[in-house]
Amino acid sequence: DVQLQESGPGLVTPSQSLSLTCSVTGYSITSGYYWNWIRQFPGSKLEWMGYISYDGSNNCSPSLKNRISITRDTSKNQFFLNFNSVTTEDTATYYCARAVPYYFDYWGQGTTLTVSS
Amino acid sequence: DIVLTQSPASLAVSLGQRATISCKASQSVDYDGDSYMNWYQQKPGQPPKLLIYAASNLESGIPAGFSGSGSGTDFTLNIHPVEEEDVATYYCQQSNEDPFTFGSGTKLEIK
Repeated sequence: DVQLQESGPGLVTPSQSLSLTCSVTGYSITSGYYWNWIRQFPGSKLEWMGYISYDGSNNCSPSLKNRISITRDTSKNQFFLNFNSVTTEDTATYYCARAVPYYFDYWGQGTTLTVSS
Repeated sequence: DIVLTQSPASLAVSLGQRATISCKASQSVDYDGDSYMNWYQQKPGQPPKLLIYAASNLESGIPAGFSGSGSGTDFTLNIHPVEEEDVATYYCQQSNEDPFTFGSGTKLEIK
C-alpha cells in the first residue's frame, strides 16, 4: 500500500531556511503521478503549494514561487519542500500527497511547523 | 485564482437524514466534458480523505451513502443516510486551473 510520511524541524525562528521531507513507501516517485505539498493553517484553511512530477519537473503556486522550491532524492524515494525564509504566517500543518493527477488520493499524516521568535 | 465558496459553514443533521453541502466556483471548472471538482472528508487529527473525484465518481472504499453532482460552477455533496461516523469537516477542491484551490469547509454535526 502507498504510504507517505512527513518530517520536519517542528519549531523554527523567523527568517530561517528549512526543508520538510516526505518519505514515500509502496510506490516509486519516479514511476508516475505528481507529488504535492499542501498546508493547513490554524483555523483549517487548506492551501496547495506545489508539486514535483514523476519525471522531475515541478510547479509551485504563483503566490509562493519566490519563497519555496520542491526537490527530490530518488535514491531514497523522498521529496522535499524547501523554504528560503519563513515568517510567522508559515505556521501550519504540512501535508504531502499524491495526485493522480487531478485529485489527491494518498496523504501523509502531516507535520506541524511553528514559526516563532 | 478560482475561489470556491462552500455553504453552509456548518450544519446539524439527525441520524438517518440527508446532509447537502454546496460548493460554488468563481469560474467554471469544466474542461473537455469533465468537471475537475473533488470532495474530501477530514476528521480531527487526520489528513483529508478523498470521497468524490471528477464531481460524481465515488472513490474506492467510500460508502455508497456519499454522492456528488454538478457541473460548471455549481456542485453538491450529498450524504444519506447520515451516520455517526460522518461527523467531520468536508472540503471541495478544484483542479481545473493552477493553482489548485480548496473551499473553506463545512462542518457536519449530529443533531
